[in-house]
Amino acid sequence: AQKITQTQPGMFVQEKEAVTLDCTYDTSDQSYGLFWYKQPSSGEMIFLIYQGSYDEQNATEGRYSLNFQKARKSANLVISASQLGDSAMYFCAMVPRTSGGSNYKLTFGKGTLLTVNP
Amino acid sequence: NAGVTQTPKFRILKIGQSMTLQCAQDMNHNYMYWYRQDPGMGLKLIYYSVGAGITDKGEVPNGYNVSRSTTEDFPLRLELAAPSQTSVYFCATGRPEETQYFGPGTRLLVL
Repeated sequence: AQKITQTQPGMFVQEKEAVTLDCTYDTSDQSYGLFWYKQPSSGEMIFLIYQGSYDEQNATEGRYSLNFQKARKSANLVISASQLGDSAMYFCAMVPRTSGGSNYKLTFGKGTLLTVNP
Repeated sequence: NAGVTQTPKFRILKIGQSMTLQCAQDMNHNYMYWYRQDPGMGLKLIYYSVGAGITDKGEVPNGYNVSRSTTEDFPLRLELAAPSQTSVYFCATGRPEETQYFGPGTRLLVL
C-alpha cells in the first residue's frame, strides 16, 4: 500500500520569497509517479507538476520545481518567487506504475495550506 | 472542449434519500475516477473505471455504486444517504501514469 505524508499543516511565506512544501512517501513499488496539485479556495484541483520515479532530473514547471530524493523517499515542492495567488492548499500524491490491480489509484496526502503574505 | 463536467454543483439531501452525481468528460480517456474530500483532508478514491463496462472499488466504496456504459459518462449513485457522506465529490479522468484532470466538484450535505 502507498502512503503520503505531508507534515506541514500550514506554511507562511512572504511575497517574492521561495518556499518548500514537504512530502514523503512510502511504497514497495519500484516504479511510481509523484504529483503535486493546488487547490485554491474556490475548490478546484489544479495539476502543478509530475515526477516519475525513474526520471533522472528533477521536474520543473515554471516557478514550480520538485526536489526528488529517491533514497529518502521525499518529493518536496519548491515554489520560487511566491505570489499572492499562490495562497492555496497543496496536495502531494502518488500512483504506482507497476502492472497489477493497484496501478490506477492515486493516493493523496492531507495537504499543506500555504499563505503568501504581502 | 469542456474537459470534465460535474452536476449538480451543490445538493442537500435528507438522511435515507438517494441521488446520482453526474460526471462527463470529452477528453476521450478510458480512465475515470470518483474521489471524495472531507473537510481538511486529501482526496480518497471511491470507485474507478478503466473503460466502458469495467469498474472497480477504490479505498472507500461503501454506500456508493457506479456504472460506466459509455466512455464519456461515469455517474456515482448514493443509496440511502448518511451524514457521513457529507463531502465534496470530485470526478477525474486521465491515464494513471500521467496527470488526472479533475471536474469542479459537487458539494453534498446530508442532514
